[in-house]
Formats: sequence, structure tokens, C-alpha cells
Amino acid sequence: AQKVTQAQTEISVVEKEDVTLDCVYETRDTTYYLFWYKQPPSGELVFLIRRNSFDEQNEISGRYSWNFQKSTSSFNFTITASQVVDSAVYFCALSEPGTASKLTFGTGTRLQVTL
Amino acid sequence: GAVVSQHPSRVICKSGTSVKIECRSLDFQATTMFWYRQFPKQSLMLMATSNEGSKATYEQGVEKDKFLINHASLTLSTLTVTSAHPEDSSFYICSARTQSTILGGDEQFFGPGTRLTVL
Repeated sequence: AQKVTQAQTEISVVEKEDVTLDCVYETRDTTYYLFWYKQPPSGELVFLIRRNSFDEQNEISGRYSWNFQKSTSSFNFTITASQVVDSAVYFCALSEPGTASKLTFGTGTRLQVTL
Repeated sequence: GAVVSQHPSRVICKSGTSVKIECRSLDFQATTMFWYRQFPKQSLMLMATSNEGSKATYEQGVEKDKFLINHASLTLSTLTVTSAHPEDSSFYICSARTQSTILGGDEQFFGPGTRLTVL
């Protein structure tokens, strides 16, 4: 069975602070994909990143960076110099090849960035 | 980029009525579509997997007679909530899967969601 845990329910930071959102996953498969999605108040899911289980390189995209550590089954997401527009719910998700790419989502972390 | 639309975006209905939600892939063919449900301040839960031309596969605990899914073409899947009740009020999100190399290989694209309120 797959499981994704996002222990942080809500995080509040002041603009320009850095913030890290944690994600821990469980799977029995050796091949799998991990995702991060952003869900602003409008409700539409915004794709941020996909990472396969064989690629443990960290990734940076602008103010966003991701740290994938297979040894601890974690895929953490850091926003540097946060902005008010980053306020949203962020979901980590896991899919396994061979199951038609259905996703198992974590419970989400609500990020509130204030001035 | 790939676009998935949902219609309607919002719907309010009376208890006991049926509601149909459409999910369309606008610029690509989707062999598989997924339906998720999200209750307020909760996560997305997969309801069913819909493959074009075949019966949908429902997740455990999801009533197939209540949530009818039809995937009639490679660009359209519909979810019908039959005899809706207030507890069915939720945010329903579809996603469409494509294996087009032009779109990056095996990818899943989400629709904007449909907010259903049953009075």
C-alpha cells in the first residue's frame, strides 16, 4: 500500500522567509514517481514537479527547490524568499508505474505568507 | 500545454436530483481519466479510473451505482452523481492521462474542478 504523509498541517511565515514543506512516503515498489502540486484558493491544481525514484538529484527552479532522499523516503520542498502569492495548499503525491498513474495524495500543507 | 476542462465549474442542486459533470481533454487524447473527490480542507481521494470504451474501475468504498462514470471518447469522460444528497457536496476534480511524447511522455493533467453543493 502506498502512503504519503505531510505532517505539517499549516505553516505561517512572513514574506521573504524561507519555508520547507515536508513529505514522507511509503511504497513497496522500487520504481515510482513523486509529485508536488500547489492548490490556490481557486481550487485548481498546479503541477510543480515530478521526480522518478531513480533520480535523486536535487532540483532548483527559481525560488523553489526540492530535496529527494531515498534513504529516508522523503521529498521535501523549500520555497526561498517566500511571497504572498505563494499562499496556498501544497500537496505531495506518489504514483507507481503499472497502476495507470493514479496518484496517492498527502493531506496537504496550508501555507500562509503574510506581509 | 495540455488543457483539461470541466463543466460545470459550480453546481447547486436539490437533494434527490442527479448531476452530470463533464471532463474534457481539449488538445490531446486521453486513454485514461481519473476522478478525484476533495472534501473541504481535506486531501484528494481517488474515486475511480476511467478507460475509454470500458467500464470504470472504482476504488474501495466508492459506490459505482451512485457515481456513474462514462468514458465515451478519447476526449470526454462524465461523472454522474445520482440521487445526490448533502453529504455528496464536495469538490470533484478530474485528470486525464496521456502518453504523448510531445507532451512529455506519460503525464497526467488536471481539470479545474467542479464544486457541487447539494441542498
